[in-house]
Amino acid sequence: SQQGEEDPQALSIQEGENATMNCSYKTSINNLQWYRQNSGRGLVHLILIRSNEREKHSGRLRVTLDTSKKSSSLLITASRAADTASYFCAGAGSYQLTFGKGTKLSVIP
Amino acid sequence: DAGITQSPRHKVTETGTPVTLRCHQTENHRYMYWYRQDPGHGLRLIHYSYGVKDTDKGEVSDGYSVSRSKTEDFLLTLESATSSQTSVYFCAISEGLAGERTDTQYFGPGTRLTVL
Repeated sequence: SQQGEEDPQALSIQEGENATMNCSYKTSINNLQWYRQNSGRGLVHLILIRSNEREKHSGRLRVTLDTSKKSSSLLITASRAADTASYFCAGAGSYQLTFGKGTKLSVIP
Repeated sequence: DAGITQSPRHKVTETGTPVTLRCHQTENHRYMYWYRQDPGHGLRLIHYSYGVKDTDKGEVSDGYSVSRSKTEDFLLTLESATSSQTSVYFCAISEGLAGERTDTQYFGPGTRLTVL
């Protein structure tokens, strides 16, 4: 079963624009994490937000978490061509992460 | 990058043959994980380990076994490979600080397995 479901499945934007990806999850979580995967590579951890946090920033990344709606969003500001990748949310239960299917982001130079 | 290597990186095998994938870490992290990634399914947990000789099943463990005899190595074995096990396999590690099983995970580069 998928803990996280990302929306949209694919997103294409111009360089310099902001990109917003959403994630919904089904059961209660300890934390929610976002990962990036470049084509043909392993996943890279971006940011972790705990269940008692509502917003977190890291560089050009902003993550929000709404536990009442079981949803999270990832905002990438001032996107760059190098941000082109797939982005996954992962809900952390008591002993494992459960990943969504990902959003494929294309940033056009 | 976290010190995680996977071997082999690519493998083509035939149905019914045994296959072993290796994950090696140099970070001395407590937790190690095996995932498979398939189009339309994202990443799914196969097995994980919370210490030497301590392993448990994940979401899609049927047809797979694992072993961890040393902190640094986590082996995934397909006893008799089937075409449905064609996938990209990722190993991941996490520190498990303060007993936290679900903190940040660091991923290896992946192994692309094709079962003909």
